[in-house]
Amino acid sequence: GNSVTQMEGPVTLSEEAFLTINCTYTATGYPSLFWYVQYPGEGLQLLLKATKADDKGSNKGFEATYRKETTSFHLEKGSVQVSDSAVYFCALVYSSASKIIFGSGTRLSIRP
Amino acid sequence: EAQVTQNPRYLITVTGKKLTVTCSQNMNHEYMSWYRQDPGLGLRQIYYSMNVEVTDKGDVPEGYKVSRKEKRNFPLILESPSPNQTSLYFCASSPGQGNRETQYFGPGTRLLVL
Repeated sequence: GNSVTQMEGPVTLSEEAFLTINCTYTATGYPSLFWYVQYPGEGLQLLLKATKADDKGSNKGFEATYRKETTSFHLEKGSVQVSDSAVYFCALVYSSASKIIFGSGTRLSIRP
Repeated sequence: EAQVTQNPRYLITVTGKKLTVTCSQNMNHEYMSWYRQDPGLGLRQIYYSMNVEVTDKGDVPEGYKVSRKEKRNFPLILESPSPNQTSLYFCASSPGQGNRETQYFGPGTRLLVL
């Protein structure tokens, strides 16, 4: 069936470090892929998305490329800030989009 | 301001006492859904609605009911809550059901069932 697998957290980095959070998926057809971010005490909000193979989503210095050959959508940022500390969720939406599947989330903590 | 609102934000109740969590959106979105978030499990979909009077089960519907009598509101009903329904609940909406649509989330309702 369809699924999303994210790297286990928590991930702790120093400010200005390079960030990668891995996400791989299993899906039939041609899903759209999303990264959502959840700041402490808040709901999820869209960070970026890609709707077809080889698309790159980007926002706030974060990037992710939809790789159909490796079924991946890894999140990257070149230089993280303390304000990036949050939980990050990879998600896919497929077919009729009645269903959205989330990964288990990766907690990111950035040290000053 | 475009938003999804949920009430209450925090709720402590006892086993078997019926409760309703309200959800309302002001963006005229057709699609609404409910999720629960549990540690290590991410978000799991409880129910969703593609339009007024159209609802369907998600992945974990047992013990929950929903209704969609108006486009803007999508309440979640727990007829007889049990401790395993202690969780963080999110309502979300999106403009339609195409697979490019972004979901807009409410702030969450933290429920404790004793």
